[in-house]
Order: sequence, then C-alpha cells, then structure tokens
Amino acid sequence: DAKTTQPPSMDCAEGRAANLPCNHSTISGNEYVYWYRQIHSQGPQYIIHGLKNNETNEMASLIITEDRKSSTLILPHATLRDTAVYYCIVRVASNFGNEKLTFGTGTRLTIIP
Amino acid sequence: GAVVSQHPSRVICKSGTSVKIECRSLDFQATTMFWYRQFPKQSLMLMATSNEGSKATYEQGVEKDKFLINHASLTLSTLTVTSAHPEDSSFYICSARATGNYGYTFGSGTRLTVV
Repeated sequence: DAKTTQPPSMDCAEGRAANLPCNHSTISGNEYVYWYRQIHSQGPQYIIHGLKNNETNEMASLIITEDRKSSTLILPHATLRDTAVYYCIVRVASNFGNEKLTFGTGTRLTIIP
Repeated sequence: GAVVSQHPSRVICKSGTSVKIECRSLDFQATTMFWYRQFPKQSLMLMATSNEGSKATYEQGVEKDKFLINHASLTLSTLTVTSAHPEDSSFYICSARATGNYGYTFGSGTRLTVV
C-alpha cells in the first residue's frame, strides 16, 4: 500500500472549515483514498473515500489533486464533536472485503471553542 | 446499516487468565474480519485477519498461540487473549466490510486491563 504523510496536529476554530492535508505521492492507479477518524476511546469511523474525482457527503468533502499525489479532507463547519484523530489511508478496493487497512499516525484535530 | 458490535467494552482480568472478545456484524455477513490493537497515544496496529471457516492470518510479530482467533460463522469472530500479562493491556478493535460497501465498519473497541 502507498504510504501517506499527514501533519501530526492541527487546530481549527469552531464554525470554521477544517482542511486536513494528506500526501500520498506513491499512490498507484487502482488505489483509493480513504479517510477515517477516531474519537477518543472509540473505534474508527468511516468518513469518505475517492479515487480521482472530488467527493462530498453529509460529513465532509474530499479534494484530490489531478496528479492524485495529495488530497484534502474538508469539514465545512467544524464543531467541538469533530475533535478527533483523522487518518488518511490509500488502499485498493474490491467487492470482497478482504483488503486490510494500514493506519498511519494520523492528524490530531482539535476544534477550539 | 453495516453495524459491528464488539463485546465487552471493558474488561479487567488477572494475570495468567484468558479473556475472550466478541465481534459481531449485526446487519451484514462478513467472511473477513480484522483485529487491531492500539496502545495509548499510538495508532492502530493490525494483528490478524480473521477468515470465516479457515485459519486466521497473523501479522508479523503477533503470536498466534497467544491471540486465538475463531471465525465460526459469517457474523461472529472472537479473539481470545490467552495467559494474559500486564503488557497485553491495550485497546482491541475489530472491523469488517459489507460486500459491495467501500467503507470498513469498526467495533467500539474493548479496553483490556491485566492486573
């Protein structure tokens, strides 16, 4: 799996957009970009994924650069409940559900009141 | 949909005893489940891949005789920590993915404390 690089920590003011970057310069053509987050003492939560087009769902937006070497997760209006560790993972995807996810160190996002 | 239930959420056991952790997919079938371990202020480390009806695949450095995995049905995988020691104290998390769904679902985790 391609490795990812994320800043170890970030702060964001409540109500503002939180932009979390991720570098994945060795990503291959069939690998997706996944984002998960882990709130303290809970299991990780799936946020969003994408291949090459920008994606948006009810939680966040994912912007992937044209060369796919980096991406940004955007939380449009951060709340205190968005304080968590955010993990960017690149991984092939199939219909079988047997591909393991490898977690890096992630970004600890703190939302400031 | 795609809910994974993990039980117990918290367990304290004496050194030398065994502890079983259950992971259930509640509304989907999972031929494959994954077990992770997380020490304080560290990331999740994959321990093993649990395969329904066959032996688990362990990551390098994980003792298969100490961490017994059983995946007897399409909705249940169990992790048994045998002869637990204080250094086994950790947060254990399972996950699975429903067929056709791209996002993995994680259990809420089990906090194991060995005293």
